[in-house]
Amino acid sequence: AQRVTQPEKLLSVFKGAPVELKCNYSYSGSPELFWYVQYSRQRLQLLLRHISRESIKGFTADLNKGETSFHLKKPFAQEEDSAMYYCALSVFGNEKLTFGTGTRLTIIP
Amino acid sequence: GAGVSQSPSNKVTEKGKDVELRCDPISGHTALYWYRQRLGQGLEFLIYFQGNSAPDKSGLPSDRFSAERTGESVSTLTIQRTQQEDSAVYLCASSLSGQGVTEAFFGQGTRLTVV
Repeated sequence: AQRVTQPEKLLSVFKGAPVELKCNYSYSGSPELFWYVQYSRQRLQLLLRHISRESIKGFTADLNKGETSFHLKKPFAQEEDSAMYYCALSVFGNEKLTFGTGTRLTIIP
Repeated sequence: GAGVSQSPSNKVTEKGKDVELRCDPISGHTALYWYRQRLGQGLEFLIYFQGNSAPDKSGLPSDRFSAERTGESVSTLTIQRTQQEDSAVYLCASSLSGQGVTEAFFGQGTRLTVV
């Protein structure tokens, strides 16, 4: 069974400082990994997915199969990055999304 | 175009009453999910529908919870004999499946308060 772990429930970072939100997964095959974000009073929405290999709002995430990780990074935090971030996993052929418990990121002005 | 729509947006009910929550997915989306989000907590998976396959009910917390889906359209989540610990935001999401893994689109949620 697939599982996603986000070890940090809360993370506070000063504006301008680097951000790293940790995500580890367990699955024996090749998963698809995603980051979803929920800004205050908005719907949960996709931020980025690893197969796209793109940077969204300055965020990037690299899939490390050796460490089974998919950490979300941004070099310089901005106040508008404050939100709840969820890492999610899915498997081709069984596309149920499994979410981690989420990390609430607060950017300190 | 229309996104995932959930109704009602807010529901206050007395302990012991039954409630029914509705989700209208994006047209053509074969996959539909229900999640629960308690205050200050993460997403808790409840149930997953995929086309005509048997739903994955592994996340339903008790037999008071049930869900149905009519074909590839509307889904209803029913909670019987509600308890105070059922108070949460219930989120529905849908995705276009059968073409590899695709993005899930979420509704705005139903905030359930059991008093």
